[in-house]
Amino acid sequence: ELKVEQNPLFLSMQEGKNYTIYCNYSTTSDRLYWYRQDPGKSLESLFVLLSNGAVKQEGRLMASLDTKARLSTLHITAAVHDLSATYFCAVDPAGYGGSQGNLIFGKGTKLSVKP
Amino acid sequence: NAGVTQTPKFQVLKTGQSMTLQCAQDMNHEYMSWYRQDPGMGLRLIHYSVGAGITDQGEVPNGYNVSRSTTEDFPLRLLSAAPSQTSVYFCASSYVGTAQQYFGPGTRLTVT
Repeated sequence: ELKVEQNPLFLSMQEGKNYTIYCNYSTTSDRLYWYRQDPGKSLESLFVLLSNGAVKQEGRLMASLDTKARLSTLHITAAVHDLSATYFCAVDPAGYGGSQGNLIFGKGTKLSVKP
Repeated sequence: NAGVTQTPKFQVLKTGQSMTLQCAQDMNHEYMSWYRQDPGMGLRLIHYSVGAGITDQGEVPNGYNVSRSTTEDFPLRLLSAAPSQTSVYFCASSYVGTAQQYFGPGTRLTVT
């Protein structure tokens, strides 16, 4: 059974600081997704990582994927208040005993950036 | 394009009542799915479909039915609502061959 673990689950940061959110998964997969969710809202796609070593950056966020370690990271640089949200990673087990598109989500990391 | 739309946005049911959550997409996506989101649990897959006439179960299918008669629509039916089905429900769609999924705005369901 594919399991996806995120840590930390809660993160309180000061503005201007850097931090990393980790996403570990238990079964081989080379497709990993990061989403952002604001309170009461839907999920917004942030990054799509489709191969080992993939790195994507958008503004103050950078995501990477290491399929051998079964690990993805979401790095936050010089955090600002607008980044406060819940961040989810999701793994697609397609090709490894799962059906394409049936994402397995982590429990989410609730990020709070304080001035 | 409206993207993925869901109705209603909010619903309160009494235990034992039935209802249908509607989901539609106008992107001609073959793949559609339903997830539920509970506090501290992330999202869990209920049912999915890879095309009209084809549906299958996800991780938590009990108490829910689906059908897919058209590419555009993928309704989720609760046959006899239970308090354990209190949750936020998201519909998503994508092209088969990519899991870049587009999520609807969600339906917040409360069962009393």
